Amino acid sequence: AQSVTQPDIHITVSEGASLELRCNYSYGATPYLFWYVQSPGQGLQLLLKYFSGDTLVQGIKGFEAEFKRSQSSFNLRKPSVHWSDAAEYFCAVGPPGGFKTIFGAGTRLFVKA
Amino acid sequence: NAGVTQTPKFQVLKTGQSMTLQCAQDMNHNSMYWYRQDPGMGLRLIYYSASEGTTDKGEVPNGYNVSRLNKREFSLRLESAAPSQTSVYFCASSELSGSGSDTQYFGPGTRLTVL
Repeated sequence: AQSVTQPDIHITVSEGASLELRCNYSYGATPYLFWYVQSPGQGLQLLLKYFSGDTLVQGIKGFEAEFKRSQSSFNLRKPSVHWSDAAEYFCAVGPPGGFKTIFGAGTRLFVKA
Repeated sequence: NAGVTQTPKFQVLKTGQSMTLQCAQDMNHNSMYWYRQDPGMGLRLIYYSASEGTTDKGEVPNGYNVSRLNKREFSLRLESAAPSQTSVYFCASSELSGSGSDTQYFGPGTRLTVL
């Protein structure tokens, strides 16, 4: 069955520290991969997406993600976290030629001063 | 350019009552979606509309109906609300039809409580 797993329900990092949020997916073929961010009380906003080509994808707000086919992973990273990055982050997979995007359960990021 | 708008922002219903959640987008997108968000479960697709005049079931359609009124508007109706439908509802839209590569643009959500 198709699924997206975000193993960490919540993560706390200090401001200025690096960040890595994990995402693993299960899908028959290589899907389209996304990371979205949700600030408190808001809808989701796209951070970045991967279709093909270079496996390291750059996104907005200084985020990047790396696709590793052998590990079925698409982890999100940021070298230096800012307090404004505190939010919930969702990994998602989009089926080629379809509409039914599957979202992970989300990882809530807390940033401490 | 407002993007995706949803009304109302908050709603409290009693079991058995009905209501319609409204969604509109001004980006001339072809596809629209309704999701529900529950703690620990991420977003689950209720219904989607690939293009004007078409609607299809998503992962959790039971208890809901939808109408794609025109290209801009996509409404979600709860005919007889149940406590299990307490959730945050998000509407989204995307430009292309039939492409899992689409970026989806989300509204701010409707927080619904069913007592």
